[in-house]
Amino acid sequence: QSALTQPASVSGSPGQSITISCTGPSSDFSEYSYVSWYQHHPGKAPKLLIYEVSNRPSGVSNRFSGSISGNTASLTISGLQADDEADYYCSSYTSRGTCVFGTGTQVTVV
Amino acid sequence: EVQLVQSGAEVKLPGTTVKISCEVSGNTFRDSYIHWVKQAPGKGLEWMALIDPGDGERIFAERFQGRVTLTAVTSTGTAYMQLSGLTSDDTAVYYCATPIVDGQSSLPAHWGQGTLVTVSS
Repeated sequence: QSALTQPASVSGSPGQSITISCTGPSSDFSEYSYVSWYQHHPGKAPKLLIYEVSNRPSGVSNRFSGSISGNTASLTISGLQADDEADYYCSSYTSRGTCVFGTGTQVTVV
Repeated sequence: EVQLVQSGAEVKLPGTTVKISCEVSGNTFRDSYIHWVKQAPGKGLEWMALIDPGDGERIFAERFQGRVTLTAVTSTGTAYMQLSGLTSDDTAVYYCATPIVDGQSSLPAHWGQGTLVTVSS
């Protein structure tokens, strides 16, 4: 299955807001309620930020928020901080019921 | 708290097989999928397969079908991923992951620490 499409990189200044998009064919968002977002620092395990499009797990900052419109899901990081510098991935289901990840976005805090 | 602890790093010769373990605690092992995810050096996350420990159902990404064997031992809460016919392209960090406990989604949520597999002659 093809990966979901994300921008390769997004940058922002401390305190700013940035948005990362995640786009796939309609068939890859067949279950529109099931999009997750992860933060991945090199050498560490990925961390779940958002599940079911817009829900935050306990302990995740409310600076992270998720939404969806059509076949594009989005992750917004507000009040950008130095520690937000990491790789970010979306995931969803395919029409076969398998999981698919986005291509990944490197976030740089400049 | 859900925790996943994976086995340690492996160095393997080309053509051989590697088996990675993933011990899960803090959830109902039989009621939760176990996903396996690959990250090759400099590459993104790639979903490989999942197993349902409750009924043994397995689903594979097409490109791993036939080379990946998944097992789950409910008595110990441990899942295993075996990858055969290793090549240098299999050099990667492999993660296991389980879905969130208090939600409807079955996508990965809780992750193991990762197991580095290096394939080299």
